[in-house]
Amino acid sequence: KAGVTQTPRYLIKTRGQQVTLSCSPISGHRSVSWYQQTPGQGLQFLFEYFSETQRNKGNFPGRFSGRQFSNSRSEMNVSTLELGDSALYLCASSFGSNNEQFFGPGTRLTVL
Amino acid sequence: AQSVTQPDIHITVSEGASLELRCNYSYGATPYLFWYVQSPGQGLQLLLKYFSGDTLVQGIKGFEAEFKRSQSSFNLRKPSVHWSDAAEYFCAVYDTGGFKTIFGAGTRLFVKA
Repeated sequence: KAGVTQTPRYLIKTRGQQVTLSCSPISGHRSVSWYQQTPGQGLQFLFEYFSETQRNKGNFPGRFSGRQFSNSRSEMNVSTLELGDSALYLCASSFGSNNEQFFGPGTRLTVL
Repeated sequence: AQSVTQPDIHITVSEGASLELRCNYSYGATPYLFWYVQSPGQGLQLLLKYFSGDTLVQGIKGFEAEFKRSQSSFNLRKPSVHWSDAAEYFCAVYDTGGFKTIFGAGTRLFVKA
């Protein structure tokens, strides 16, 4: 069974631009979560989707948004990029609510 | 509030020596606990998990962890460390109400020859 895939793996943007990151979960998994990892803040929860519904959102500004499609694939969008948005963005999928999460390799976003 | 504390930012051990990484959690209900490992530039790999039952859990790569409810701890151990174990290790608890994993700050493991 293929693992969680994230595209692109690396991205360079400039301040003020917007970016869309994609995540394909493991087949059969209906929950997709997103996390931001930075050296200063560690791993921070962004949001979680289950069957196309956002069930929870972390403490991030409205510039961060996401969605999930009927095939469970998910995208997250960051608008009006700031330097501080430079981070590794990790996607994780799980079968249900109380199952272990499987993480993708991440998308490394650099904002110049 | 739920939280996970890893008191050691980094640890250095000699190859072949034993390892223990500490983790304390704060969670109101029965916790779902995890240890993940991350190599540079990579995602997170699950080492082991505790949901219920036997408090000593075995994981991959020769790791084990012991859940101690009285101490709110879930320490990770390995009897003999290999150079390839050098990585960052994250302890985590799954918040069932918030549908999210709460991570500790991580412990960077260095292995010296």
